[in-house]
Parts: sequence; C-alpha cells; structure tokens
Amino acid sequence: EVQLVESGGGLVQPGGSLRLSCAASGFTLRSYEMNWVRQAPGKGLEWVSGISSSGSSTYYADSVKGRFIISRDSAKNSLYLQMNSLRAEDTALYHCASLNYFDGSGYPAFDIWGQGTLVTVSS
Amino acid sequence: DIQMTQSPSSLSASVGDRVTITCRASQSINNYLNWYQQKPGKAPKLLIYSASSFQSGVPSRFSGSGSGTDFTLTISGLQPEDFATYSCQQSYITPHTFGQGTKLDIK
Repeated sequence: EVQLVESGGGLVQPGGSLRLSCAASGFTLRSYEMNWVRQAPGKGLEWVSGISSSGSSTYYADSVKGRFIISRDSAKNSLYLQMNSLRAEDTALYHCASLNYFDGSGYPAFDIWGQGTLVTVSS
Repeated sequence: DIQMTQSPSSLSASVGDRVTITCRASQSINNYLNWYQQKPGKAPKLLIYSASSFQSGVPSRFSGSGSGTDFTLTISGLQPEDFATYSCQQSYITPHTFGQGTKLDIK
C-alpha cells in the first residue's frame, strides 16, 4: 500500500524547535517533489515548504522562510522538516504530500498525503 | 500570492441531494485548479485536477468545471461517505494556494 506517515509533532514552547519526519512506504520518495502542508485549527490548508526530487532545490512560504528547513534522505525514503524559532501561529496539523504532474507534466497536484502530525506551540 | 475564495464556508445537505461548491481565484489560473476532500483524522484526498479531470478511483457523482477565475465542484446524489470538507487549490503559480475549505455536513 502506498502511504506517507508523519511523526515528530508535539507541544513546544514559543522559540523552541521540532523536527518532523515523513516516512514513505509502497513507493520511492526520490522520484517526487515533496512538500509540507499545514492546517491551523479552524483554517484552510496552507502550503509550507517543498523540495525537488533531487533535493537540490528547496522552497518556502514567506511565513516560515528563515526558520524552517526541508530536507530528504533517499536511503531512508524519508522527508523532514526542521522547525526553529517556533511561534504560536505555527500551531497546526502538518501533512507531507507528494507532488505529481498529471497529463504529461501539465498539471501539478498533491496526490499522496499523510494523515499529519500535530504541532502545538504554547507556553 | 493568488487568493482562493470558496463559497459557501459550510453547507448542510441530505443523502441524495445535489450540491455545488464554488471557488474563485483572485486572478486567472486557466484550468490549473484542484479539488481535495478531507475527513477528520484522515489524509486529504485528491478528487479532481485541471478543473475537471478525475483522479483514479473517484466516483462519477463528483464533477468539476470552470476556467479562468471561477470554478465549481458538484456532487450529484450525495452519499453518506461524501460528508467532509472540500478544498480547492490553484497550481498555476507558486505558492500553490488553497481555499479556506467548505464543510459539508448532514442536514
């Protein structure tokens, strides 16, 4: 079965750090551009960060740029998100998702998602 | 960034009903519009990409339409498993922004 499983969430104080992990099974992560998407309580989905299939290019939302670092480990078939200088507004359920290009590289969409790991930033 | 606005934010309906959810982009996105379904505690699920193309395995009661700035998701003949939150996403320009979601619940 193709699936993504996130881990590493928890309660952290403002200014603290957390490292999220996303483990893939049933498919090879290195074939895909991978992303983190979060959903704050009562809010819509928000794209957070992405990394190219090779790992050479990374992308960040302005809201996390300079604080979060995305990385991947092909040997472990895993994706990571290092979150530093956490703020209350980073409180959310964090999903990893693979980006696929449908219809011959024409239309990008997130086609495989994990259930998410909850990050709570509070004192 | 492109802003995506969904309406309504919530919707009550009965099994068998036909419902329509609207998504509007702040600028033209051609047909680079995706729809996702979310259920509590579950991974989001891609339903439709490029405004009207079905992801594999999605029932035919779901349909999408639109181009430019205005898009719709229609569910014809609601089934119990369809009560969920639906979100649109533009994939025309990065960041690929989402709408705020429409929660569909049972009347």
